[in-house]
Amino acid sequence: AAGVIQSPRHLIKEKRETATLKCYPIPRHDTVYWYQQGPGQDPQFLISFYEKMQSDKGSIPDRFSAQQFSDYHSELNMSSLELGDSALYFCASREDSSNYGYTFGSGTRLTVV
Amino acid sequence: GENVEQHPSTLSVQEGDSAVIKCTYSDSASNYFPWYKQELGKRPQLIIDIRSNVGEKKDQRIAVTLNKTAKHFSLHITETQPEDSAVYFCAASTLPANFGNEKLTFGTGTRLTIIP
Repeated sequence: AAGVIQSPRHLIKEKRETATLKCYPIPRHDTVYWYQQGPGQDPQFLISFYEKMQSDKGSIPDRFSAQQFSDYHSELNMSSLELGDSALYFCASREDSSNYGYTFGSGTRLTVV
Repeated sequence: GENVEQHPSTLSVQEGDSAVIKCTYSDSASNYFPWYKQELGKRPQLIIDIRSNVGEKKDQRIAVTLNKTAKHFSLHITETQPEDSAVYFCAASTLPANFGNEKLTFGTGTRLTIIP
């Protein structure tokens, strides 16, 4: 069965650089959630999209932006990277208005050096 | 917004014994409570979930109980095995969502170690 695909799996960037993370949800899933998980921390909600519109926003820095495209994939853009941005970034998708839960992608490990 | 607390933060259990992890939530509107197992560097994997219309759910060695009145839910793992060692997260949400605005709120995690 198709899962949530995230790319890249690993990314190394220098401080002040820009990174773009991609998420391809399960077909027919119209909602995407982004989470950031620091070392030893629980996943923290960043932002979500429903039908290509931002639906909710969490603790996402102003340096980050995201969008959902017409094919429902989503991209998280991170600029002026800081050392503290090093984390695992997970994307999860689900079908809105259904009783089914969330499916997580394998994550992107971002290391800022 | 929802706030989920989880205890204990670490738990060591002798192989074969039972492990119990407890969570409380704050938003009475929450009705979906999944538990995730996460191995180092991997994605959270759903191991069991419960909805507010039931008080208990069991799947082989894993069970979850929910007390809606007290707003707490617990994960029970019986006959623990070394491969149960991982970090476990509880979470809360409201399903079905409407317009994508029902995110998962996670607990702070429990590192479970099974001692052979």
